[in-house]
Amino acid sequence: NAGVTQTPKFRILKIGQSMTLQCTQDMNHNYMYWYRQDPGMGLKLIYYSVGAGITDKGEVPNGYNVSRSTTEDFPLRLELAAPSQTSVYFCASSLQGTATGLYGYTFGSGTRLTVV
Amino acid sequence: AQTVTQSQPEMSVQEAETVTLSCTYDTSESNYYLFWYKQPPSRQMILVIRQEAYKQQNATENRFSVNFQKAAKSFSLKISDSQLGDTAMYFCAFYQGGSNYKLTFGKGTLLTVNP
Repeated sequence: NAGVTQTPKFRILKIGQSMTLQCTQDMNHNYMYWYRQDPGMGLKLIYYSVGAGITDKGEVPNGYNVSRSTTEDFPLRLELAAPSQTSVYFCASSLQGTATGLYGYTFGSGTRLTVV
Repeated sequence: AQTVTQSQPEMSVQEAETVTLSCTYDTSESNYYLFWYKQPPSRQMILVIRQEAYKQQNATENRFSVNFQKAAKSFSLKISDSQLGDTAMYFCAFYQGGSNYKLTFGKGTLLTVNP
């Protein structure tokens, strides 16, 4: 199994541009997440989804949007990129409920985004 | 809201020695799960070990073990016989479950294993 696949791995954006970070999982996980990782700050939750058609905000949602039309895909959209969005972005997925506690997340390999 | 604190931003250890990384957390719940994730320079997040709060026995995975002190809300990671490949950022994470779906991560500890 491929697990969680994120694309692209690296991207440089100019201020004001938009882009979509892609995330696909093939494990039939109900839950999916987007985190951003900044140096010395750990991982902060941007958005999450508990199933197709259901999304909700995390700790740092401003400047981002998500959709979940299928179980497999959970793209993250950046509108009007700003330097503050320079970060490493991780997509993750998990089984629901207690299974997340037992098995944790499966992470993608991350996207390093630089906004200049 | 749950919080996870890793008080050691950086640590170093000599190869073959033992090192302990600290983690404390704050919660009012009695049932939850705790994790340690490793992030090597490749950036990939790798699950190292996990602990269920209702289990008193400390989890172990080969050279990795935890010291789980529920009353003190402490969850430290011990790495025995440290290897160069253990050099990585280590994140402690908390999961409550129920209606709270997300993992809460600490800020991480950068561990360097020296030859």
